[in-house]
Formats: sequence, structure tokens, C-alpha cells
Amino acid sequence: GAVVSQHPSWVICKSGTSVKIECRSLDFQATTMFWYRQFPKQSLMLMATSNEGSKATYEQGVEKDKFLINHASLTLSTLTVTSAHPEDSSFYICSAGTEPYQPQHFGDGTRLSIL
Amino acid sequence: GQNIDQPTEMTATEGAIVQINCTYQTSGFNGLFWYQQHAGEAPTFLSYNVLDGLEEKGRFSSFLSRSKGYSYLLLKELQMKDSASYLCAALDSNYQLIWGAGTKLIIKP
Repeated sequence: GAVVSQHPSWVICKSGTSVKIECRSLDFQATTMFWYRQFPKQSLMLMATSNEGSKATYEQGVEKDKFLINHASLTLSTLTVTSAHPEDSSFYICSAGTEPYQPQHFGDGTRLSIL
Repeated sequence: GQNIDQPTEMTATEGAIVQINCTYQTSGFNGLFWYQQHAGEAPTFLSYNVLDGLEEKGRFSSFLSRSKGYSYLLLKELQMKDSASYLCAALDSNYQLIWGAGTKLIIKP
């Protein structure tokens, strides 16, 4: 079945560091990938929609200069959290699908802890 | 505005049946998904309904009524491993997924 790989699984780093998270679709081409953030005991919050070859579409309230998204190919999207601060600590999850009405396949998520 | 409502938490007994309801209000509708999410893990796909009626998949079934803006996920023969959050998500006319807050299901022995 469709598989989405997300790396790294865990990141612990100092405040002010920039962190890059990769999301790869392993056995299918994903025109669109989605980036979510989830705080403890809360629901998924869509941060942005990443489209191959074009700029990402950010949800209201998400700073595009802080959360840089690059969708360089049909199988890879990256999220860079620039100058991360403790309030950015969260569980970041990517997903990808082939068609909008097909289920999204999620990566395993990245747990980001900023000290 | 667009909205998904589902109960915050439910408790059920191992071996029993539980129904998790979801109501939705969206701009247009292109189907409804159910996902399961265990604590600390990413969601996994359970079902997709776009036509009215019941879809059965083993111990899990999902029902949709488009006229009522209503869906439910039915879990039979509950097992302890079914303890998880169940997320309802509706696809609007722009094919954007609108997520519910999730229902935390607690299974007791």
C-alpha cells in the first residue's frame, strides 16, 4: 500500500535553531502534500498545503516566513521551522494523497522539542 | 462556516459495540473520512463514504446520510487495542478536508 516516510522522528534542539523535516511518498507521486501540527490532546491543525512546483498555501494564522515549505519533486516536501522557539514544540505530521477524494496517507510524524 | 462535531470522549467495554457519531456542515460535500489515531502516532485511514448507506469492513462499519449531514463509525467486538482517538473529516466542495476534533475512545476490560 501507499507509504509516506517522514524524517526525523524526534528532534530536540536549542531555541533559535532551524529544523528541517522531510516528507517522502515512497511508492506513489504526490502532487499535493499536507503539513499538520498537533499539540497534546488536541486535534490535527492543518498548517499548509504543499503543491509540487509552486508556492505552498498556508492556513490563516500560520507564519509562512517561519514555516518554510518546499515541494521540490512529486515525492518530496520539506518543512523548515526557522529560528524555533519553545512554543513551536509540537508533533508535526505530513500527509500525501493521489487524488483529493482518496485517503491521505500520513507519515509517522516528527516530535519537535525546543529547549 | 464549516464545522464538524463529534463527541470528545466515549467509554465502552471490551467485546461490546460502540457507535461514534459525527455531524458536519460544509460548503459542498465530496465525502467523509474516518481515521484512527493512537496516542503519539499519526492517523491511519479507516473508511471513506461518499454515498448514503453503510460500508462494512470487518469489525468496523461506517454510515453516511448526506441529507442529514451525519455519519457514524460502528466498532464491533471491541478490543483493548481499539482504544484510540477517532477522527471524522469531511471533504468540501474545494476538496479541502475539514477535520473534527476527534473522539477519544476508552475501552475497559
